[in-house]
Amino acid sequence: AQTVTQSQPEMSVQEAETVTLSCTYDTSESDYYLFWYKQPPSRQMILVIRQEAYKQQNATENRFSVNFQKAAKSFSLKISDSQLGDAAMYFCAYRSGGATNKLIFGTGTLLAVQP
Amino acid sequence: NAGVTQTPKFQVLKTGQSMTLQCAQDMNHEYMSWYRQDPGMGLRLIHYSVGAGITDQGEVPNGYNVSRSTTEDFPLRLLSAAPSQTSVYFCASSYGSFYGYTFGSGTRLTVV
Repeated sequence: AQTVTQSQPEMSVQEAETVTLSCTYDTSESDYYLFWYKQPPSRQMILVIRQEAYKQQNATENRFSVNFQKAAKSFSLKISDSQLGDAAMYFCAYRSGGATNKLIFGTGTLLAVQP
Repeated sequence: NAGVTQTPKFQVLKTGQSMTLQCAQDMNHEYMSWYRQDPGMGLRLIHYSVGAGITDQGEVPNGYNVSRSTTEDFPLRLLSAAPSQTSVYFCASSYGSFYGYTFGSGTRLTVV
């Protein structure tokens, strides 16, 4: 079975600085997708960024980028120029590319942004 | 588009009661899932569906039933509520593997 591990329960960053959130996963599948979701205090789940496993190039969305290391099964999220609105819980997620298409989450990292 | 609609937003149940959490999506998504979110445990998959008439168990299915008679609706039934089922429940839907899931706003359920 696939598993997703986030080893940092809490992180803190100064406004305008850069922070990296870690995620590792375990799978025997070759076809899969990885995601980072943001959950602010409103509780809404917001998709931040996605990465296809077959792509070597790291995904980027504005201030958010990933470092995808397929051999190491690592998928970290880098937030540049951190803003107060980035404060939230961040979840790493794995989605199988097979028939089930299940989406499995890590336990999350709570990010605080200090002014 | 309304997206994924969950009702109710809040619910208090007594131990032993049954209830159904409703989930509807208007995006013609094939894939739908139910999660529960507990502090320190992330979102855990309860049940999921890959299309109308097809459902399967996730990581924590005990005490819950689902059915998928239409593409749009995916209700979650609590058969006999227990305090351990106190949680926030999310329904989500998706078009395909490449796409992330779209989530509803959640239901906070308390079982006393």
